[in-house]
Amino acid sequence: ETGVTQSPTHLIKTRGQQVTLRCSSQSGHNTVSWYQQALGQGPQFIFQYYREEENGRGNFPPRFSGLQFPNYSSELNVNALELDDSALYLCASSLGGQGNNEQFFGPGTRLTVL
Amino acid sequence: KQEVTQIPAALSVPEGENLVLNCSFTDSAIYNLQWFRQDPGKGLTSLLLIQSSQREQTSGRLNASLDKSSGRSTLYIAASQPGDSATYLCAVNAEAIGSYKLIFGSGTRLLVRP
Repeated sequence: ETGVTQSPTHLIKTRGQQVTLRCSSQSGHNTVSWYQQALGQGPQFIFQYYREEENGRGNFPPRFSGLQFPNYSSELNVNALELDDSALYLCASSLGGQGNNEQFFGPGTRLTVL
Repeated sequence: KQEVTQIPAALSVPEGENLVLNCSFTDSAIYNLQWFRQDPGKGLTSLLLIQSSQREQTSGRLNASLDKSSGRSTLYIAASQPGDSATYLCAVNAEAIGSYKLIFGSGTRLLVRP
């Protein structure tokens, strides 16, 4: 148990819809990163938030957006869903802006787009 | 551009064997390297974290080494058990324009046969 929780566990949407995924960070962690893991692949970095501001972004289009709240919980929003967005979405929390700090992962949200 | 490769992609061994999983990366400018375990349909469980200044880490039957200069890491599993069956992912923690992110390999799927 890492203390990082995600909701919902599973989600089914249709193409063109919008979805919001949620993550609750480990207590005291002010940095959250989101990753997308397609079937059979390693996770890919989507973006990172540090103290409520986006602090780096991977190669994902603007329809992937996020928020981090003062209590350090966070959301990943995806607009105009496409079939290829079907994946396991993982969030990871860490302490501070230091690159050598360990990231702790939640159990993930499995998104299926039909 | 940092790339992480894991070899082999899949491995099947009889119970009790010692085994080595390999991970290579192309850019030695990393903060640290983590090994994760992932069971089917589940999130990531952190196994070992090696900081860039360290050479190895041990936890129980697991030993991970890091050679930054050659861009290689190995995960050694002693006396394998059927419960070790899972996908093993390595990830390097690399700087990403003002932030940091984990870059993952595609994983090694391990099956330990009773």
